[in-house]
This record gives sequence, C-alpha cells and structure tokens, in this order.
Amino acid sequence: SQKIEQNSEALNIQEGKTATLTCNYTNYSPAYLQWYRQDPGRGPVFLLLIRENEKEKRKERLKVTFDTTLKQSLFHITASQPADSATYLCALDERDSSYKLIFGSGTRLLVRP
Amino acid sequence: NAGVTQTPKFRVLKTGQSMTLLCAQDMNHEYMYWYRQDPGMGLRLIHYSVGEGTTAKGEVPDGYNVSRLKKQNFLLGLESAAPSQTSVYFCASSRAGNRQSLQPQHFGDGTRLSIL
Repeated sequence: SQKIEQNSEALNIQEGKTATLTCNYTNYSPAYLQWYRQDPGRGPVFLLLIRENEKEKRKERLKVTFDTTLKQSLFHITASQPADSATYLCALDERDSSYKLIFGSGTRLLVRP
Repeated sequence: NAGVTQTPKFRVLKTGQSMTLLCAQDMNHEYMYWYRQDPGMGLRLIHYSVGEGTTAKGEVPDGYNVSRLKKQNFLLGLESAAPSQTSVYFCASSRAGNRQSLQPQHFGDGTRLSIL
C-alpha cells in the first residue's frame, strides 16, 4: 500500500530564509500531489496541486517540485515570514481514484522573527 | 461564505454513548468526506460520499456510520463510543472531478471528541 513520509520533526528557520519541506512516497507514482496548510485548531487549507507530468509549480512565494524518479515532492516557501508558521500536509491520490486522497502526517514549520 | 461547517466543535462522551456529528457545505459540492486525525498519523478516511444518497467505506470505517440524505449535509454517527474513537474529526467536500481535472478538498475546522 502507498505510504507517505514527511519529516515529523519541526523545521525551525529564520525569517527571510527559504523553507523546504519534503514529501516522499513509497509505492506507485500518483497522478497528482497536493499540499495543504493546517493551523492549530483549524482544518487543512489547500495550497497547490502538481500533476505527474509537471516538474514544478509556483504560486506567489510557494514552489512545489515533483520527481517521480526519486518518488519525492519538495515544497518551498521563499522569503519566509512568521505568518507562514503552520503544519504542512502532503496528499496523494489513491490509485485509480479521482477523489480519494492519502495524507501524510505533516511537517510543522516554525519561522522565527 | 461559510464553506464547510461542522457541529459541534467539542464534545465529551462516556464509553457506550452514541452521537452524531454534523457537516454542512454551501458550495454545492458533489463529494463529501469524513476523516479522523490523530497525533503522528495524519488524516485517515472514515467514510465518503460521491453523491446524495450514496456512501462508501474508507480506510477506518469500523464503529462509524454515515448518511447523506441531502447533497449539502453529511452525518457521521458513533453507535457505541469507545475510548479509541477519541480524536479530531474533519469533514471535507470537493467538486466532482476526474483524473484529468482533479479537485482540491475543502475542510471544516473539526470536531474535537473525547471518549471517557
């Protein structure tokens, strides 16, 4: 079965630096991969989606890459701000499903002022 | 624009009690989902629905039942609560999609449920 691995240790960085979060999967290559942000006490909020035939996707200060050879996606936040502090979840489509997702447990990002 | 609304936000139950968690969405989404989130385990799918009147089991359905009598509502029932069901429950919805046009999920803010 598909497993998603995200670093369980918090990433602690200085404001202004680039944060890079990793999402690794173990089995089949998904058709697409999504990144969500979750704040304490709130539900996840969708950020970006990248398809298997896309190498990179950008949205403002966010950039996602997808390497099917390494079975890995990287999520970058450039010029990070304390307001970017949150937990970031990676999600992959369940095989042959157009609506079911498998979520990683997330990585907490702390941006120090 | 409320999006996805979950009620209640918090609840404490005793073992063996039953309750229903309510989820309502105002985005006219076809698909709806119930997840539970436990520390270190990520979101796990309990049940889902791809349309009014239809439901299906997810990864961890035991001990739960669901109903979707109206398109905008998705109810999650605990028939006989157990301490192992202590968790944060999230409801989500999405538009219908396919492998070429995949839709993100929109989440509510969760129900924090403790079973004593």
